[in-house]
Amino acid sequence: GEDVEQSLFLSVREGDSSVINCTYTDSSSTYLYWYKQEPGAGLQLLTYIFSNMDMKQDQRLTVLLNKKDKHLSLRIADTQTGDSAIYFCAETWAGNMLTFGGGTRLMVKP
Amino acid sequence: DVKVTQSSRYLVKRTGEKVFLECVQDMDHENMFWYRQDPGLGLRLIYFSYDVKMKEKGDIPEGYSVSREKKERFSLILESASTNQTSMYLCASRLTGGLGAFFGQGTRLTVV
Repeated sequence: GEDVEQSLFLSVREGDSSVINCTYTDSSSTYLYWYKQEPGAGLQLLTYIFSNMDMKQDQRLTVLLNKKDKHLSLRIADTQTGDSAIYFCAETWAGNMLTFGGGTRLMVKP
Repeated sequence: DVKVTQSSRYLVKRTGEKVFLECVQDMDHENMFWYRQDPGLGLRLIYFSYDVKMKEKGDIPEGYSVSREKKERFSLILESASTNQTSMYLCASRLTGGLGAFFGQGTRLTVV
């Protein structure tokens, strides 16, 4: 598979913005994804971006894609304690496979 | 809504036992996947299947086998469970060319 890398941990205060970063390697990825995993649960698709877009906004979430640098980021505005979770970025490769990063644990302090 | 259901949330098995983890999806997806999730290692692909009776090894297939006799069901088998297979196991399904993958709730397996 391809390599997808993320930092392991991020801590923010409630009400601040969170930015989770990811680098990937497959330049042919059609879609890139962000998944959220709450404690003890499976992964839930949070948002995605098509590879010909630079930015996508969905309420408090903003996804930025820099194809030249193969860098993807997820910004969460007005972070809440309910946003505490592990966030995975993922890319498609070989048309059908998904490769996941190692996950970033977001901790939101009251 | 797509539903991917794993048969157990928690399992405790003894070393050497044969263990079956079952996964069922209800959206007629061709592709199904088994991942294992360990702290600091993210999700690692064990096996995947792109059609009934078809299977491909992922990144860490050793010690595991799979079965896909029906389109909706994908089973992960630990032939002889070992303590290093203690982990969270996640099943997912995906439509070819579709958006993302849908995950089950996970099975936390402890081998003692």
